[in-house]
Amino acid sequence: DIVMTQSPLSLPVTLGQPASISCRSSQSLVYSDGNTYLNWFQQRPGQSPRRLIYKVSNRDSGVPDRFSGSGSGTDFTLKISRVEAEDVGVYYCMQGTHWPPTFGQGTKVEIK
Amino acid sequence: EVQLLESGGGLVQPGGSLRLSCAASGFTFSNYALTWVRQAPGKGLEWVSAISGSGDGTHYADSVKGRFTISRDFSKSTMYLQMHSLTAEDTAVYYCAKEPISDYVGGWDAFEIWGQGTMVTVSS
Repeated sequence: DIVMTQSPLSLPVTLGQPASISCRSSQSLVYSDGNTYLNWFQQRPGQSPRRLIYKVSNRDSGVPDRFSGSGSGTDFTLKISRVEAEDVGVYYCMQGTHWPPTFGQGTKVEIK
Repeated sequence: EVQLLESGGGLVQPGGSLRLSCAASGFTFSNYALTWVRQAPGKGLEWVSAISGSGDGTHYADSVKGRFTISRDFSKSTMYLQMHSLTAEDTAVYYCAKEPISDYVGGWDAFEIWGQGTMVTVSS
């Protein structure tokens, strides 16, 4: 199985400041069709996960533009340009290129 | 609006069985694959099982293969997860999720929409 490794696992941030989460995969996530199936999910406290980003950098409907995804191959990043209080929660990267689908361990974002 | 509503969770003894349901609405049920993802208390997310839109294709994580069975009832727009031989390691919130595809034939943008989850506790 593909191992997804996130860092850091805990990220205290100041409101209004940027935040960045790294995700690395144990193999390239480029599929034979040329796409890279790397997603990011947000799970707020007490809520279900919600997909934020698909195919590395595409925001889902309703996701604020302060969230952005980037990367290629095995290295990926989720950035929040200016953290707001509602962004508190755990963020997971996940790959859908190789079977079975696998998640990173999660990064907990909290306000300092 | 797409909605997924899980039910069927509860307390079950080790070795017991339980059947989870995921009632879907807001989309053409047979056109989309569905999946189960679980989350043990205080832990991360783990994919469990998936089923194609037609119901012909099913997939399981190694941790549940041979014990869990996924299925779907088109007349009720409902997906099921039948769980047998449950152990404490199966204790988790179980989420169902809708996929943006009908079948798993390659890479895909997984887990588009999630339900609210149902808690399964395996304990004596």
